[in-house]
Amino acid sequence: QKEVEQDPGPLSVPEGAIVSLNCTYSNSAFQYFMWYRQYSRKGPELLMYTYSSGNKEDGRFTAQVDKSSKYISLFIRDSQPSDSATYLCAMKGSGTYKYIFGTGTRLKVLA
Amino acid sequence: SQTIHQWPATLVQPVGSPLSLECTVEGTSNPNLYWYRQAAGRGLQLLFYSVGIGQISSEVPQNLSASRPQDRQFILSSKKLLLSDSGFYLCAWSGYDSYEQYFGPGTRLTVT
Repeated sequence: QKEVEQDPGPLSVPEGAIVSLNCTYSNSAFQYFMWYRQYSRKGPELLMYTYSSGNKEDGRFTAQVDKSSKYISLFIRDSQPSDSATYLCAMKGSGTYKYIFGTGTRLKVLA
Repeated sequence: SQTIHQWPATLVQPVGSPLSLECTVEGTSNPNLYWYRQAAGRGLQLLFYSVGIGQISSEVPQNLSASRPQDRQFILSSKKLLLSDSGFYLCAWSGYDSYEQYFGPGTRLTVT
């Protein structure tokens, strides 16, 4: 079993839809959670980062962490064609330098 | 603000040739530095990380090596490239007192 599982997609939605992207993980020691957006042939861009459980909102993006279920989510409101990219989740435990990444979900927002 | 640079952006090298990829970070001190490889359609594979000058941790035994000659400089090298070394190489950094990790623009390497 992989430490982090992420549906590869592709996920196709119409413009303006609410998008839900998810990752599950198995290591209860993870405390730091991140979401990245990666456009084709570009480096990943950090979108959101959270510590432990709870919600964090930034503009159209909301990151949610449920440590009891070992489940994290990224919600995108009012999705735009420019949101079409691959979204990677990442997580890390305290006392370690290594980050564990999901394989990414490819999102397509149709105009 | 902090900036991370990688060069070259693209590289085509023959099998058996040497490799040197460079990464530098601006605007921060004592960063943790990382090299990842991303193969087409696959996730990020951690290759090396460094928490200080001259301190390198290797995650995957292979024909690649890394060095950190200066605080904000990280170099990925190979003496003889293999076809399997083709991929998208990403450098990343995180602060010594924070957990967010930031990536550079990447180097696309094609070994022919």
